[in-house]
Amino acid sequence: GENVEQHPSTLSVQEGDSAVIKCTYSDSASNYFPWYKQELGKGPQLIIDIRSNVGEKKDQRIAVTLNKTAKHFSLHITETQPEDSAVYFCAASPPGYSTLTFGKGTMLLVSP
Amino acid sequence: GAVVSQHPSRVICKSGTSVKIECRSLDFQATTMFWYRQFPKQSLMLMATSNEGSKATYEQGVEKDKFLINHASLTLSTLTVTSAHPEDSSFYICSAPSTAANYGYTFGSGTRLTVV
Repeated sequence: GENVEQHPSTLSVQEGDSAVIKCTYSDSASNYFPWYKQELGKGPQLIIDIRSNVGEKKDQRIAVTLNKTAKHFSLHITETQPEDSAVYFCAASPPGYSTLTFGKGTMLLVSP
Repeated sequence: GAVVSQHPSRVICKSGTSVKIECRSLDFQATTMFWYRQFPKQSLMLMATSNEGSKATYEQGVEKDKFLINHASLTLSTLTVTSAHPEDSSFYICSAPSTAANYGYTFGSGTRLTVV
């Protein structure tokens, strides 16, 4: 089955800096790669996703890149703000509404 | 669009009792619902997959007789934790794929279960 590795487990940055979280996956059949933000006591919220026919996708301060050959994808957050502090999860899924396999999460702390 | 409403958000129950968690798709039909469990400071672990009108598929190590899943309609899936014990205390989250969510997955807000 799919295995998703996520690094780092914790990331501390100063407000205004950029943050990068990286994930690798094992199943070459996976073609859907979402990123979720989870605040304490809440369910995951989708912040951006990418499919394997696209190499990069951007939404304001958030971007995701995908290297299908190397089987890794990354989340980039620019101009970080304290409200970006949360746990971020990457995930991967094969075609056809199959289950998502999650990384172990990255706790991002943005200090004012 | 693509909202999954999960209730209750928090529940405290006594050991040996049962607790039911509901997930409703509000503006789309959820033919499939995924149920996850999340322990503190850990990732989401898939417990089972339910499909409307058929038996749920459980992941290895998840007791189907303890975690009863019902998906009798296209808008409602329920998870019942039977004879709950303190080790069942966890954060339970449902998720459904939806074309309304750009073919992504919509998550419920989660249920914090505490068994005392």
